[in-house]
Amino acid sequence: RKEVEQDPGPFNVPEGATVAFNCTYSNSASQSFFWYRQDCRKEPKLLMSVYSSGNEDGRFTAQLNRASQYISLLIRDSKLSDSATYLCVVPRSGNTPLVFGKGTRLSVIA
Amino acid sequence: EADIYQTPRYLVIGTGKKITLECSQTMGHDKMYWYQQDPGMELHLIHYSYGVNSTEKGDLSSESTVSRIRTEHFPLTLESARPSHTSQYLCASSDVKGLGAEAFFGQGTRLTVV
Repeated sequence: RKEVEQDPGPFNVPEGATVAFNCTYSNSASQSFFWYRQDCRKEPKLLMSVYSSGNEDGRFTAQLNRASQYISLLIRDSKLSDSATYLCVVPRSGNTPLVFGKGTRLSVIA
Repeated sequence: EADIYQTPRYLVIGTGKKITLECSQTMGHDKMYWYQQDPGMELHLIHYSYGVNSTEKGDLSSESTVSRIRTEHFPLTLESARPSHTSQYLCASSDVKGLGAEAFFGQGTRLTVV
């Protein structure tokens, strides 16, 4: 299994839809996980951190399944402005470089 | 807004030239990283540093070199630019404490070697 694996998409969804992405990871010792958002031709920016079972921020929910070694990102009531690439990030251990997944591309269509 | 800056934002340069991409952060972060990213493709880690005088090569082999003489500064140098070096270079930094900290990115340098 690759260190971090994501479905590249693209996910094309209508406005208002609910969409979910999964990210699988290989290091069972990983303690923290991150979702970043990257807009076209821009730098990645942190969207959410996940340290325990999950995290919720408005329309965004991140969940962690340690047994199956994946994290998910759920976006409810999709907006046009949610169109971006969503990157899953898993540190190799507590003090090592961040490993980025290839990203999942989301297009929200009017 | 993150206090991490990259210069130049765009650079078009001829083959064989030596170039240095600058990256500075004012957050006092010990960890700094350089990533390379082609349009629509994934981020590849090319160099990282955990503090002054510490530098390591990343996952992607790169002909570039880095230095970390000061905490806030992490420049990347290409001794002889080639068209294959054309890409976007992103610098990031993070705090060393905790389980794994948020990485803040600079706006990137788009390098074109002609």
